[in-house]
Amino acid sequence: EIVLTQSPGTLSLSPGERATLSCRASQSVSSSYLAWYQQKPGQAPRLLIYGASSRATGIPDRFSGSGSGTDFTLTISRLEPEDFAVYYCQQSLRTFGQGTRLEIK
Amino acid sequence: EVQLVESGGGLVQPGGSLRLSCAASGFTVSSNYMSWVRQAPGKGLEWVSVIYSGGSTYYADSVKGRFTISRHNSKNTLYLQMNSLRAEDTAVYYCARDRSAALDVWGQGTTVTVSS
Repeated sequence: EIVLTQSPGTLSLSPGERATLSCRASQSVSSSYLAWYQQKPGQAPRLLIYGASSRATGIPDRFSGSGSGTDFTLTISRLEPEDFAVYYCQQSLRTFGQGTRLEIK
Repeated sequence: EVQLVESGGGLVQPGGSLRLSCAASGFTVSSNYMSWVRQAPGKGLEWVSVIYSGGSTYYADSVKGRFTISRHNSKNTLYLQMNSLRAEDTAVYYCARDRSAALDVWGQGTTVTVSS
């Protein structure tokens, strides 16, 4: 079973700053099957990125995904107040990472 | 509008059963891969089960043999039959549609509490 490890566990940044979130797999993952989600308190997750680097419908271009093999990254170029949330990566529609909490500094 | 609406959650005793429903609108359940994902209180997301458009089903080890995923084509509804429930099954359960190997549409979730 592939294990996804996200880092850091919590990231404290200010609006306008750049956020870099990491997702590392225990073995190689097809880029086609790596997705990122955003979840705010009391809400269902929302798809941000699929296929490691493709933005889902309606997702602002400040969100970008990259990576291959075992190392994947979600980057938020300039943080907006609404971006502070928990972010999860997922592989092959199965395993999720444990999440990164992005909080306001 | 593409939408998923879950129902059927509630309080159940350990060892009991519950059936969750997920009604879809704006698309056809049977033409898509459909998943159940759960989230225990204060915890992360856990994939539970998937049903493929062809009918194949898969389960997380934690629920295999106890949960059954199914669909009713004419009702355009997804189900999760949960038997032999345990305290650790307490969670919000979400249904979601797979599109391009990612879960692009999610329901609002239904809460299952297993407690005596």
